[in-house]
Amino acid sequence: KQEVTQIPAALSVPEGENLVLNCSFTDSAIYNLQWFRQDPGKGLTSLLLIQSSQREQTSGRLNASLDKSSGRSTLYIAASQPGDSATYLCAVPPPGGGADGLTFGKGTHLIIQP
Amino acid sequence: NAGVMQNPRHLVRRRGQEARLRCSPMKGHSHVYWYRQLPEEGLKFMVYLQKENIIDESGMPKERFSAEFPKEGPSILRIQQVVRGDSAAYFCASSPWSANTEAFFGQGTRLTVV
Repeated sequence: KQEVTQIPAALSVPEGENLVLNCSFTDSAIYNLQWFRQDPGKGLTSLLLIQSSQREQTSGRLNASLDKSSGRSTLYIAASQPGDSATYLCAVPPPGGGADGLTFGKGTHLIIQP
Repeated sequence: NAGVMQNPRHLVRRRGQEARLRCSPMKGHSHVYWYRQLPEEGLKFMVYLQKENIIDESGMPKERFSAEFPKEGPSILRIQQVVRGDSAAYFCASSPWSANTEAFFGQGTRLTVV
């Protein structure tokens, strides 16, 4: 059964810092990995989707990498801003393309101090 | 192109009542997933539906919970005889083809059972 772990569970840093969020998964037979952002009381916003054939995906100040063989992904946030404060979730589809829906980590709760 | 629409956003039910949660997928998406987020826990997959078919309901409790995605109209998650433990945020996601493509989430329905 796929398990997804995110480290750290919480992170508080001053504005302007570059930071890295980590995600690991136990079964590497995935087609892609998706990073989401969730604001308090709100839904999930898709940030980046990395296909299994890709190593990196970039959107603005965000860069996500994927190393399938080691079961890891990182989300790099450059020049952090207070508006980046949110919970960041990573999720993977069922190994081998099954029908179970996404498996989520518990998230990293990020606070950017002004 | 409107995103995934869920309603109501907030729902309060007394113990024993029924809760009906609605989800309209993004235009052109025929795959719908329901997830539940309990307080202080991650999102958990409940059920995966395509038009008029339940593909996988392995994450849904066997009793009191049901889901449908009719040929016309939104997908419905129905919880009968609600109990306090059903209080959670329920999220719907849609994708255009399968679990291996990018998932787009609605804002969620926050169910409170009193």
